[in-house]
Amino acid sequence: NAGVTQTPKFHILKTGQSMTLQCAQDMNHGYLSWYRQDPGMGLRRIHYSVAAGITDKGEVPDGYNVSRSNTEDFPLRLESAAPSQTSVYFCASSYPTSGAQETQYFGPGTRLLVL
Amino acid sequence: GQSLEQPSEVTAVEGAIVQINCTYQTSGFYGLSWYQQHDGGAPTFLSYNALDGLEETGRFSSFLSRSDSYGYLLLQELQMKDSASYFCAADNAGNMLTFGGGTRLMVKP
Repeated sequence: NAGVTQTPKFHILKTGQSMTLQCAQDMNHGYLSWYRQDPGMGLRRIHYSVAAGITDKGEVPDGYNVSRSNTEDFPLRLESAAPSQTSVYFCASSYPTSGAQETQYFGPGTRLLVL
Repeated sequence: GQSLEQPSEVTAVEGAIVQINCTYQTSGFYGLSWYQQHDGGAPTFLSYNALDGLEETGRFSSFLSRSDSYGYLLLQELQMKDSASYFCAADNAGNMLTFGGGTRLMVKP
């Protein structure tokens, strides 16, 4: 199993451009999340999905959209990038039990620079 | 709102024991997780405490006191490779998972 994979590893965008960050997992996990991590800060959740067809907002959803058409994939879309979206983005999957999220498996991350 | 507090930086010597504390203010608390992240890498899961008490996994142990809204990660027999950032994360009702700001551990020879 590859676990959680993310593409690209690094990308540079200009302000106003759009982009989709890809996330895929092959562990048959139902729960997928997108996080951003800024220097010296913890991880903040952007959006999450508990199952295919269901998505919900996290702590910092503005400027981002997600979709979940199947179990494996959970793309994150930036419709009109802003410099404030320069960050490292992590996708994470988990297999929740009893509604709790015990273990998050993180992908390798995507470093995004918006100029 | 939800918040977790942990020290920003801790320094210790190789072979020593270090404790990283985490206090939390959350609603609908389920449990506390700990993650390790090396520079340039992804966070990796270390432990999860849903009940009060100490959970031991090799050189690492994690403790939770729900009545005190407090937990800690204990690292024993420190090795240079333990130099990393450590994050506590509170698992809350409503599918909420909130991370602390992280503690940067520097292990010196």
